[in-house]
Amino acid sequence: GAGVSQTPSNKVTEKGKYVELRCDPISGHTALYWYRQSLGQGPEFLIYFQGTGAADDSGLPNDRFFAVRPEGSVSTLKIQRTERGDSAVYLCASSRGGSSGELFFGEGSRLTVL
Amino acid sequence: RKEVEQDPGPFNVPEGATVAFNCTYSNSASQSFFWYRQDCRKEPKLLMSVYSSGNEDGRFTAQLNRASQYISLLIRDSKLSDSATYLCAVNRGYQKVTFGTGTKLQVIP
Repeated sequence: GAGVSQTPSNKVTEKGKYVELRCDPISGHTALYWYRQSLGQGPEFLIYFQGTGAADDSGLPNDRFFAVRPEGSVSTLKIQRTERGDSAVYLCASSRGGSSGELFFGEGSRLTVL
Repeated sequence: RKEVEQDPGPFNVPEGATVAFNCTYSNSASQSFFWYRQDCRKEPKLLMSVYSSGNEDGRFTAQLNRASQYISLLIRDSKLSDSATYLCAVNRGYQKVTFGTGTKLQVIP
């Protein structure tokens, strides 16, 4: 399809392991966002890319979290030394960029850290 | 203070009722405003943008009050299918989009 694609849809890992979550945005969308959502909460901003560069990474909770978008399209969110508190749904969204807040979300990657 | 605040609800309303949600934002430099709908265990989807003059889309009306820094969503003639969580979102221009915690609506037969 032509929507935002996220893989894996579900990931179960053990505490301390490394995890990568991938996002393939809508073709032509220059802006890409990562959010984290816990049960009963709204999407919590993590990082925003405009093109290849991270325009705002103020939402990354600590240095265990890192995200890249090397060619301005696909992005990978990387979590090192996972903790049980990292368990959540990680949502990726893309938009045409600029001042638009019209985001198109993927179905999310559900991460469970045991 | 949170950047975007919403009453989490739940709002339980009978079919056919009119229901309204408010959302307040703290940054007066905010430029764009949106309502998203999120069904259980699904991703958020844009419901409607909120324009300064207010706008309507069928049974849904969105309004912006810049002076008091809030946006509202009014749903008329509620349907069972309107049951969902409604998220407001705020964009300060070429910056991140911030979401509220969402307001849960349950329409009862």
